[in-house]
Amino acid sequence: GENVEQHPSTLSVQEGDSAVIKCTYSDSASNYFPWYKQELGKGPQLIIDIRSNVGEKKDQRIAVTLNKTAKHFSLHITETQPEDSAVYFCAAVRPGTYKYIFGTGTRLKVLA
Amino acid sequence: NAGVTQTPKFQVLKTGQSMTLQCAQDMNHNSMYWYRQDPGMGLRLIYYSASEGTTDKGEVPNGYNVSRLNKREFSLRLESAAPSQTSVYFCASVTGGSPNTGELFFGEGSRLTVL
Repeated sequence: GENVEQHPSTLSVQEGDSAVIKCTYSDSASNYFPWYKQELGKGPQLIIDIRSNVGEKKDQRIAVTLNKTAKHFSLHITETQPEDSAVYFCAAVRPGTYKYIFGTGTRLKVLA
Repeated sequence: NAGVTQTPKFQVLKTGQSMTLQCAQDMNHNSMYWYRQDPGMGLRLIYYSASEGTTDKGEVPNGYNVSRLNKREFSLRLESAAPSQTSVYFCASVTGGSPNTGELFFGEGSRLTVL
């Protein structure tokens, strides 16, 4: 089955700097890669997603890149702000399986 | 519009006791999921229901049972709780259909402690 590895497990950046979180997946048939943000005491919420027919997607300060050959995808947050502090999860989905398999999470701390 | 509602939010059990976590969604979604979240382990899929009337095992199904009661409700049962089942449990749902991918909507979580 699908396995998703996520790095780093914790990341501290200064406010205004960029943050990058990386994930690798094992199943080459996976074609949907969402990213979720989880604030303290809450359930995860989708912040951006990418499908395998696209190499990059941006939404304001957030971008996701996908390298299908290497089976890597990454989340990029620019101009980080204190409210970006949270736990971020990547996931991979193989079509037809309905299974969303998540990485182990990255705790991002933005230092003011 | 409540989204995904989980009950209870907190529960303490003794080893060997049983309990059921309830989940309901009001978004007319086809697919529903139960995940557990443990420190350093991320979100692990316990069971899912692709559509009403079907359920399938996820990554860590042992010790759990599920019931898709109707399109809205998906319950998770622990028949004989063990300390290893101490965790935060999340229910989620997604529109499903074709293509069967899209935004998962999560509940607020249920924190379970087994003594």
